[in-house]
Amino acid sequence: DVKVTQSSRYLVKRTGEKVFLECVQDMDHENMFWYRQDPGLGLRLIYFSYDVKMKEKGDIPEGYSVSREKKERFSLILESASTNQTSMYLCASSSTPRNYEQYFGPGTRLTVT
Amino acid sequence: QQQVKQSPQSLIVQKGGISIINCAYENTAFDYFPWYQQFPGKGPALLIAIRPDVSEKKEGRFTISFNKSAKQFSLHIMDSQPGDSATYFCAASRGANSKLTFGKGITLSVRP
Repeated sequence: DVKVTQSSRYLVKRTGEKVFLECVQDMDHENMFWYRQDPGLGLRLIYFSYDVKMKEKGDIPEGYSVSREKKERFSLILESASTNQTSMYLCASSSTPRNYEQYFGPGTRLTVT
Repeated sequence: QQQVKQSPQSLIVQKGGISIINCAYENTAFDYFPWYQQFPGKGPALLIAIRPDVSEKKEGRFTISFNKSAKQFSLHIMDSQPGDSATYFCAASRGANSKLTFGKGITLSVRP
């Protein structure tokens, strides 16, 4: 059974803290993605990676960075968390060339106070 | 600019009825059109996908209809069941290797 796991289901952080969200996939997928999901806004792509140590900006990269040191792991970093980053964060992975078939983790609900 | 637009924003259907969700896209370079289904507390999961070289694809009770000239595609759920109650996202991509652009999602409620 394919699996994408995220380090936390719920996270509460304070404004200004550095936040790490971890994602691990066990499917040997080349591609990994970070989205945020907000009511009325759907899924918005933050960053993605097509290979180890490679990263590309998505549609809303401001305030975020990412790291991919190993193929199975993709980390999202909030350098200085702000209240407008309170959201559901979803990680996904896919295999080339079926990139349209993305496998999602259960999400991390991040609250920044 | 929203490249993939879904309608309606929410949908309530009686058990046994047909649920129809529509999507319109703007970029004519899009050539993969998947639908994702998300249950509360879960991540989205691929439901069904279509390429523009076919006008319809059916998998069980789920059918995608595609209208290339109108730049629209729709999801039909036949014999809708309460277990189909979920959020549905349409998406589009340019080529099998490209990133996905998602619609905003619609919430479907199927009443018993």
